[in-house]
Amino acid sequence: AQSVTQLDSHVSVSEGTPVLLRCNYSSSYSPSLFWYVQHPNKGLQLLLKYTSAATLVKGINGFEAEFKKSETSFHLTKPSAHMSDAAEYFCVVIPYNNNDMRFGAGTRLTVKP
Amino acid sequence: EAGVAQSPRYKIIEKRQSVAFWCNPISGHATLYWYQQILGQGPKLLIQFQNNGVVDDSQLPKDRFSAERLKGVDSTLKIQPAKLEDSAVYLCASSLVPPSGFYNEQYFGPGTRLTVT
Repeated sequence: AQSVTQLDSHVSVSEGTPVLLRCNYSSSYSPSLFWYVQHPNKGLQLLLKYTSAATLVKGINGFEAEFKKSETSFHLTKPSAHMSDAAEYFCVVIPYNNNDMRFGAGTRLTVKP
Repeated sequence: EAGVAQSPRYKIIEKRQSVAFWCNPISGHATLYWYQQILGQGPKLLIQFQNNGVVDDSQLPKDRFSAERLKGVDSTLKIQPAKLEDSAVYLCASSLVPPSGFYNEQYFGPGTRLTVT
């Protein structure tokens, strides 16, 4: 079965410091992996996606993620947090040949001034 | 480009009552999805339509949930009768038809927050 595990339910950082949100996946196939962000009372927005091209993926708002097959990880990073980054972040896996997205439980990012 | 529209945004009902949610996808998107997001969890797919046909409803509790997309455009999700555990945000998403073996980005609406008391 394909699934993702987000290792932290809540991450708190200070503005201007690096962000690391951790995600591990399990998949029998070569997966497609995504990070989505959900701001309060807004729809989910795609941050970035990995679909078997370059292993380092750059997304919107300065976020990036690295696909590491040996570690089955797809951690999300940002060099410098901004107050507007405070939101819920979801790691998502899609099995090959299937558009059925499997969401992780989410990581709530808090950014302190 | 207009996004995915959902209504109502909020709904409070008593258990055993019925409720319906409406979704209008992005124009031209043949694939439509309904997700249930329980507080503290990630969204879970309930049903996927392609045009007016059901692609996957394996996780839809069919004894109380139903969904339709009669004309292949907008869609309605119904719960009858509602239970306390149905309290959640119901998200609608749409996408172009994904080519076999590939992925097409899903665009999400703002969701409908349902509270069952």
